[in-house]
Amino acid sequence: DAGITQSPRHKVTETGTPVTLRCHQTENHRYMYWYRQDPGHGLRLIHYSYGVKDTDKGEVSDGYSVSRSKTEDFLLTLESATSSQTSVYFCAISQDPSLNTEAFFGQGTRLTVV
Amino acid sequence: RKEVEQDPGPFNVPEGATVAFNCTYSNSASQSFFWYRQDCRKEPKLLMSVYSSGNEDGRFTAQLNRASQYISLLIRDSKLSDSATYLCVVTDNAGKSTFGDGTTLTVKP
Repeated sequence: DAGITQSPRHKVTETGTPVTLRCHQTENHRYMYWYRQDPGHGLRLIHYSYGVKDTDKGEVSDGYSVSRSKTEDFLLTLESATSSQTSVYFCAISQDPSLNTEAFFGQGTRLTVV
Repeated sequence: RKEVEQDPGPFNVPEGATVAFNCTYSNSASQSFFWYRQDCRKEPKLLMSVYSSGNEDGRFTAQLNRASQYISLLIRDSKLSDSATYLCVVTDNAGKSTFGDGTTLTVKP
């Protein structure tokens, strides 16, 4: 299995609090992604990174920010969590997706905002 | 309109059946195409990449039609273990990967 870990795996937090999810990889892959998955929806891209300090928005980026200060870590921050951000969050890594290289996923973080 | 659209399903088929999933994409700059499989409450895993010439892996065949912006996945001789959600993924030339909502397959004895 690819070396990708997400932490925490489960979290319950209160509305209005900041939350940071961490994705850590040991594969030295250039691309990293954060997705959320909700019932009735596939994976929706929040933000992605194509290198250290290089990030871009996905289709559901409102309310989220990211940082990538090192190749191996990609952090997703909910500045002020809302109940609509209750979801399962997946991190993914890829060497070069434009060349048909595979994306590997972490096991997911189940976040509940109460 | 969504960037990547899949058959909504669900598909319920008997063992041994042949089943086909379709996917369309709207971004003509898309460069790479994949089918992923996701089991319940697990992370997605690559099933196969999709190449312009079409490609086959055992019982699975993937096709790409760039002119129609259409991708397909054919599963022959379905097994119980094929029950899962199948996700179509399209990546553009900036490395941004977009998923379809997935099609759920249940193979019954």
